[in-house]
Order: sequence, then structure tokens, then C-alpha cells
Amino acid sequence: EAGVAQSPRYKIIEKRQSVAFWCNPISGHATLYWYQQILGQGPKLLIQFQNNGVVDDSQLPKDRFSAERLKGVDSTLKIQPAKLEDSAVYLCASSPVGGDHTGELFFGEGSRLTVL
Amino acid sequence: AQSVTQLDSHVSVSEGTPVLLRCNYSSSYSPSLFWYVQHPNKGLQLLLKYTSAATLVKGINGFEAEFKKSETSFHLTKPSAHMSDAAEYFCVVSRNYGQNFVFGPGTRLSVLP
Repeated sequence: EAGVAQSPRYKIIEKRQSVAFWCNPISGHATLYWYQQILGQGPKLLIQFQNNGVVDDSQLPKDRFSAERLKGVDSTLKIQPAKLEDSAVYLCASSPVGGDHTGELFFGEGSRLTVL
Repeated sequence: AQSVTQLDSHVSVSEGTPVLLRCNYSSSYSPSLFWYVQHPNKGLQLLLKYTSAATLVKGINGFEAEFKKSETSFHLTKPSAHMSDAAEYFCVVSRNYGQNFVFGPGTRLSVLP
């Protein structure tokens, strides 16, 4: 079974530029999450999708961050314009609904963003 | 509201000695609890989970954790540390088994030869 795929793995940009990250969850997983992990901290939820609907985006800085999951499969997270404090690893996770692994998070390897 | 406290930011043990990583949680609901491990430049991997069944939970790689409701704790243990256990460990609480995952700040485990 293929895992959660994320790209790019690394990205360096200057402040005020834009960046986009892509995530393809495990096939059949209805729930998709984007987390931000700043160095030395635990992951913080940015947005949660159930199929193509948003379940929770209360911690997403909507003035600069946006995310979509148009067909209920893969997802894109965009930052525009980036700030220095956005330097972090952006983690995508997916979770099945139903079955033995309900409620478990399956993570990709992350996309590391450095803003200069 | 839910929260997780990991009492030690860094734990160092010698290879072959026991490991204890401490986690306390706060939840207004009956929680689901998880431990995830993160090796350098790798994604997070589930070690074990508690979902209101047996209070002593066994996970992968010889790890186990015990849910103690009276102490609101979910400490992670392993009888004998291996060099490959060196990583960052996160305690996680969720509500409704799949909703509102909240991560602790993490504990970095170092294993000395």
C-alpha cells in the first residue's frame, strides 16, 4: 500500500513570495489534514478535510494561507505572501473512516519550508 | 478543550536500560490517546493507541503504554532501549476517535552506547 505522498520535500523562498505544497493521501482515506511543525514543537493542525469539505480550519491564518481538496483526493496548501515565521515543516496526514485503523493518522514525510 | 503535557523535553538513557517517557493529558471527553515517533527527516509513525479498551496497550518495537484515568496519564515505556529508538516522541490526544488531534511538544530520546 502506497503511503502519503508530499511534494516538494524542500523549498527555500524569500519573504513575500508564494509557495504551494501538494499532498496525495492513502487511497480510500476520507480525511486529510495539514499540520505545521515549527522546529522544536509538536505539529499544529492547520486544516482538516472530510472528503472535499472543510471540517476544521480554525487555526489556519486565512489572510495568507489557503488549502483545497477539490475532488476529495489530493490537496494543495498555499502560502501567499510568506513571512519569516512560516519557516516550518508542513505535514500532510490522512485517516480512514471505518475499519481497524479508524482515527489513526498516517503521515507523509513533510515539506520543509525555509523563508529568507 | 484538550491539551497534552510531556514532562521531559529530553530523555537520555543507555542502551539496554529501561525507557520512560511521560505524558499527561487534559480532556473534557473520554479521550483516545496515541504515541507517535519521528525519526530525523522522516514522517511520524504510530507506535500505539488507546481507545477505551484495555488500559495497557502494546505497540510496535517493544513499546507499551498504560492509560491511568485517575492520574490523567499515558506514559510510554520500553524495558530495554536500542540505539534505533533514538528519535522524537509525541503524545497525542483526540476526541471522538478521529477528531481534534492535539499533539504534545515532544520528548527527544537519546540512547547512549
